[in-house]
Amino acid sequence: EAQVTQNPRYLITVTGKKLTVTCSQNMNHEYMSWYRQDPGLGLRQIYYSMNVEVTDKGDVPEGYKVSRKEKRNFPLILESPSPNQTSLYFCASSFMRASTDTQYFGPGTRLTVL
Amino acid sequence: QKEVEQDPGPLSVPEGAIVSLNCTYSNSAFQYFMWYRQYSRKGPELLMYTYSSGNKEDGRFTAQVDKSSKYISLFIRDSQPSDSATYLCAMSTGGSYIPTFGRGTSLIVHP
Repeated sequence: EAQVTQNPRYLITVTGKKLTVTCSQNMNHEYMSWYRQDPGLGLRQIYYSMNVEVTDKGDVPEGYKVSRKEKRNFPLILESPSPNQTSLYFCASSFMRASTDTQYFGPGTRLTVL
Repeated sequence: QKEVEQDPGPLSVPEGAIVSLNCTYSNSAFQYFMWYRQYSRKGPELLMYTYSSGNKEDGRFTAQVDKSSKYISLFIRDSQPSDSATYLCAMSTGGSYIPTFGRGTSLIVHP
């Protein structure tokens, strides 16, 4: 089954404790990205990657890191989480053949930083 | 002003009603227009996309783009309780694969 998986689905942590949210896709997509979704603000892009070892900042990259060492994986790293990073996070992936290629979203990771 | 404006709602309608969801935008370079549906506790899924101006129909759903007014719409005919979800518009330029999303409109269809 074609899918984007994220782990963990739910995470409660404390300020300053480094964490990683994993994202993996099995569709051989070149393009992967991370979004955060907050009430009233919609989906905002954090980072994206157009292929292995190619990453770039989205609209809200501060406080986040990413890496793309393999095509299928795109982990999101919070080196020192803060309460304002409490949010719902989505990973997404797509081909890059055309601008209309469908983005497939993962199920989301709900992060709470105390 | 945000690039893409979308009323968050909620929009509450009775079953069977025609629903109209809308977005306005400011970037005239947008050429690809998409609608995503997001059920509670799920990731968004692509519902429809259109290129440039015009209409596109898919079953009970019709997407409409008016580039002269920078206005896009999604119509849902014969709405069902299963249509209750958040609908996000998204758009991108021809040279970018990165969509800009609206905030989403929460739709509630009650029996």
